[in-house]
Amino acid sequence: DTAVSQTPKYLVTQMGNDKSIKCEQNLGHDTMYWYKQDSKKFLKIMFSYNNKELIINETVPNRFSPKSPDKAHLNLHINSLELGDSAVYFCASSQGGLATNEKLFFGSGTQLSVL
Amino acid sequence: DQQVKQNSPSLSVQEGRISILNCDYTNSMFDYFLWYKKYPAEGPTFLISISSIKDKNEDGRFTVFLNKSAKHLSLHIVPSQPGDSAVYFCAASVPGNTPLVFGKGTRLSVIA
Repeated sequence: DTAVSQTPKYLVTQMGNDKSIKCEQNLGHDTMYWYKQDSKKFLKIMFSYNNKELIINETVPNRFSPKSPDKAHLNLHINSLELGDSAVYFCASSQGGLATNEKLFFGSGTQLSVL
Repeated sequence: DQQVKQNSPSLSVQEGRISILNCDYTNSMFDYFLWYKKYPAEGPTFLISISSIKDKNEDGRFTVFLNKSAKHLSLHIVPSQPGDSAVYFCAASVPGNTPLVFGKGTRLSVIA
């Protein structure tokens, strides 16, 4: 059973399109995250949700909108895709919040390519 | 501004030898450090962590050393095995509700 699953694994799309990436965790964790790994290979946090409540929004453009229908799901919707959005997006979860130093469990990533 | 630096993008080690992966940080407020391992086409998985109140933490073949005065930590893998070939990310956090800061990773290749 996959603990943190995200779909799709690969996403190729044209500039200007709107796309969504879905994430689900079956670990019963309270906190979920979206990370972006850019071309320079840094893993940077984008958003963090705790029990469906937005905790962190790290200066991400408004075109990115996370949605958490319940604490097991955190989806990422991206409007008006730009070339610079090409990256690998990782969903993650943890039992506690950021202050607890709980280890993160990551999904396998979604490679987004904007043409 | 890279607060967590892994200056070696890659490292090759013979099977059975020791692998030493290094990580430097600039933020003296970091109080918790973690190593994650990542295989191709998979997400990072937690490997080992250390609190700033310790200078060493060991888990089987993996040991993390922390030198706070030098703002440096290292991951030792002994003995190295081919299955250890992966990208290793160093990460750090400050107290409070703040996210982990990751380094760029070091690709370890263990040669049989």
